[in-house]
Amino acid sequence: DAKTTQPNSMESNEEEPVHLPCNHSTISGTDYIHWYRQLPSQGPEYVIHGLTSNVNNRMASLAIAEDRKSSTLILHRATLRDAAVYYCTTYAGGTSYGKLTFGQGTILTVHP
Amino acid sequence: DGGITQSPKYLFRKEGQNVTLSCEQNLNHDAMYWYRQDPGQGLRLIYYSQIVNDFQKGDIAEGYSVSREKKESFPLTVTSAQKNPTAFYLCASSKTSSSDEQFFGPGTRLTVL
Repeated sequence: DAKTTQPNSMESNEEEPVHLPCNHSTISGTDYIHWYRQLPSQGPEYVIHGLTSNVNNRMASLAIAEDRKSSTLILHRATLRDAAVYYCTTYAGGTSYGKLTFGQGTILTVHP
Repeated sequence: DGGITQSPKYLFRKEGQNVTLSCEQNLNHDAMYWYRQDPGQGLRLIYYSQIVNDFQKGDIAEGYSVSREKKESFPLTVTSAQKNPTAFYLCASSKTSSSDEQFFGPGTRLTVL
C-alpha cells in the first residue's frame, strides 16, 4: 500500500488560496489519490479524487504531478469552515481495491 | 435522508468484555468498511466487505470480528483479545470497491475501563 506524507500543519488567512501538498512516491499505476477532511470527533468528509489528470469540483481542485509521486489540494478561497484535518490517501486498485491508506494528515488553521 | 448511522456515539465497557458496534447504511452501497482512529492519528482499516456474506481483513484485524448478513448492515465486534480497544471507530460505505468516494458515519467512541 502506498504511503502518503503531508506537512503536520499549515495556516492560511480567510479568503486566500491554500495549497496543501502530499507526497506519495510509492503509488502504483492503479491507485487513485483521494482527499478527505475531518472535523474533531466527526467522520471524514470526501473532498476530491483523481488518477492522472487534474480535477476540479465545487469544493476544491486537485493538481497531480506528471510522475504521480505528489499531488496538491487547492482551496481557492479559504473560509473558517475549511479549518479541519486534511488527509491525502491512496485508494488501492487491482486486487486490493477498496482500501484507503491514510497518513497523519495536515491540520489546517484558517485565520479571520 | 440517505446516510450511515453508527450507534451508540459513546460506549463504555469493562476490560475483558466483548462489545458490538452497529453500522447501518441506506445508500444501497455494496462495499462497507471499518476504521479505527487513535488520538492525533490517521485512520487504520480493520475490516472491509465488498458484497454480502463476504469480508476481508484490513491492516489491524486482530482482536476484531465482523459479519455481513445484510447489504445495509456491517456490525463490528471488539473482542477481549484486542489489547488496546479504546479508540474512535468509524464505519464507511461506497458504491463499489473501485475508485468511488467513501461515505463515513459519525463514529463511535469506545472507552474500555
